[in-house]
Amino acid sequence: NAGVMQNPRHLVRRRGQEARLRCSPMKGHSHVYWYRQLPEEGLKFMVYLQKENIIDESGMPKERFSAEFPKEGPSILRIQQVVRGDSAAYFCASSPETRRPTDTQYFGPGTRLTVL
Amino acid sequence: SQQGEEDPQALSIQEGENATMNCSYKTSINNLQWYRQNSGRGLVHLILIRSNEREKHSGRLRVTLDTSKKSSSLLITASRAADTASYFCATADTGGFKTIFGAGTRLFVKA
Repeated sequence: NAGVMQNPRHLVRRRGQEARLRCSPMKGHSHVYWYRQLPEEGLKFMVYLQKENIIDESGMPKERFSAEFPKEGPSILRIQQVVRGDSAAYFCASSPETRRPTDTQYFGPGTRLTVL
Repeated sequence: SQQGEEDPQALSIQEGENATMNCSYKTSINNLQWYRQNSGRGLVHLILIRSNEREKHSGRLRVTLDTSKKSSSLLITASRAADTASYFCATADTGGFKTIFGAGTRLFVKA
């Protein structure tokens, strides 16, 4: 059973470009969470999604950031017009449908975004 | 503001010693979890303790939870060099759907 998969693992963008980060949850999981981690800091919650629904996006910046989890395919975190401050590691986590959303989350390896 | 705050921020010990990390939080919680993160990697779930539990063990790990003091501790016994990592506590509140992480304790175990 493959774990949570994220791609790309490393992404380099120039200021003003768009970044698309993908997350495929574990098989059987229907809850997806995105977190951002700045160097030497903990993870900051960004958004919680279920299939085709955004449940909680209270951690998402109001502009340039969006997330989706379509019926088919991976969850996408999209950052438009990236700035240097967006450079960070972005982690995706998933949890099973049968559990409470706040139970154990399984993390992917992360995507490290560098904005030049 | 961050829910969980770990203490100490960094800890350096010799192999074979025990390592204790503490976590404090602010609001009522459903559960508290500890994760490990090796440098440049994703998080690995270590242990979950529910709000009605006081202590839990898993191998060399021992976690305590004191809801009256809103604090938890993670004890790693007989530490190994491979335990070198950052350790995060994470809390899930009773009403929400998100997990809040602290800033982490960086543990360095010297061989």
